Amino acid sequence: KQEVTQIPAALSVPEGENLVLNCSFTDSAIYNLQWFRQDPGKGLTSLLLIQSSQREQTSGRLNASLDKSSGRSTLYIAASQPGDSATYLCAAPGSSNTGKLIFGQGTTLQVKP
Amino acid sequence: DVKVTQSSRYLVKRTGEKVFLECVQDMDHENMFWYRQDPGLGLRLIYFSYDVKMKEKGDIPEGYSVSREKKERFSLILESASTNQTSMYLCASSFMGSYEQYFGPGTRLTVT
Repeated sequence: KQEVTQIPAALSVPEGENLVLNCSFTDSAIYNLQWFRQDPGKGLTSLLLIQSSQREQTSGRLNASLDKSSGRSTLYIAASQPGDSATYLCAAPGSSNTGKLIFGQGTTLQVKP
Repeated sequence: DVKVTQSSRYLVKRTGEKVFLECVQDMDHENMFWYRQDPGLGLRLIYFSYDVKMKEKGDIPEGYSVSREKKERFSLILESASTNQTSMYLCASSFMGSYEQYFGPGTRLTVT
């Protein structure tokens, strides 16, 4: 059964710092891994989707990596800004082929001006 | 762009009321999902549907039912709302065979 873990639960950094958010999963036979952003009281916005055949995916200041062998994914945010403050969730496919996702608990990021 | 809409952003209902939450997607997705999100518990899957009139229970289906009469619309029904169903409800959709889900803005339901 797939389990997804995100550590730390919360992170506070000064503006301008580069940072890494971590996501680990137990079942490495995944098709892809998705990173989402959630602002308080809002829905989830998809940031990046990494296919199992890829090692990295980039969008602007965001770079996500996937290492299936170690069961890990990271989201790298370059030159953080206060507007990056949000909760970041990663999600991996469940162990059955149903389209279901298993979500981590999220990392709440605060970028201080 | 994929658009997933939910009928209400905020909803306040009384204990015992029947509550309908509606979700509509415009991308012809086969799969649709209902989650609830609570502090400390994360996102939990309530029900999902992979085709019209088809549904499967998720991890926490008790106290809920669903309806999918048209491909673009997936309704979550609370037959008799209770205070422990106060939560943020999120709808999502995806293509068959894809794990890439698109989410709606969420409905914050308060049951008093």
